[in-house]
Amino acid sequence: DAGVTQTPRHEVAEKGQTIILKCEPVSGHNDLFWYRQTKIQGLELLSYFRSKSLMEDGGAFKDRFKAEMLNSSFSTLKIQPTEPKDSAVYLCASARGNQAPLFGEGTRLSVL
Amino acid sequence: QQQVRQSSQSLTVWEGETAILNCSYENSAFDYFPWYQQFPGEGPALLIAIRSVSDKKEDGRFTIFFNKREKNLSLHIKDSQPGDSATYFCAASASSGSWQLIFGSGTQLTVMP
Repeated sequence: DAGVTQTPRHEVAEKGQTIILKCEPVSGHNDLFWYRQTKIQGLELLSYFRSKSLMEDGGAFKDRFKAEMLNSSFSTLKIQPTEPKDSAVYLCASARGNQAPLFGEGTRLSVL
Repeated sequence: QQQVRQSSQSLTVWEGETAILNCSYENSAFDYFPWYQQFPGEGPALLIAIRSVSDKKEDGRFTIFFNKREKNLSLHIKDSQPGDSATYFCAASASSGSWQLIFGSGTQLTVMP
């Protein structure tokens, strides 16, 4: 079985740009999560979908971050406009039932 | 406030020793506790998990000891190898309500050869 696939692996953006990160969950998983990982803040939940419905939108991340799940096998995370403080690793994870999520390799974003 | 706390940011052990990584939590509703292992440049990988109905879970060299009354748990890595050097995250979730994981800040383990 393929794991969680994230593209691109690396992204470099200028301040103010719009970037879109992509995620394909494990087939058959109905939970999908977007996390941001930094050394200072650790792993922070951005969004959580269950069966394509948004369950958690990450509170503090609402204004410039928008996650969507267009179908059960594809999700995007849009950051608009980007700021240097958004530089981090963005992780997508998926799960089935009450099992621990499986993570993708992540997208490392650098905002100049 | 930190709902899941890992007391050590870093831990160094010698090859062959047992590494013990500690974790505590605050929310009594938490009933599922996975541990993840992360190598640089990779996403976290699920290592082993325990539910609150058990007090011990073993998988090869990895064992979780769980104390519900004290709200703490530990991951024991027996016969540590240099290849075990990684960051280990304790996480917790509650099976009732919106299901999502709360992560600790991680413990960076170094196993010296």
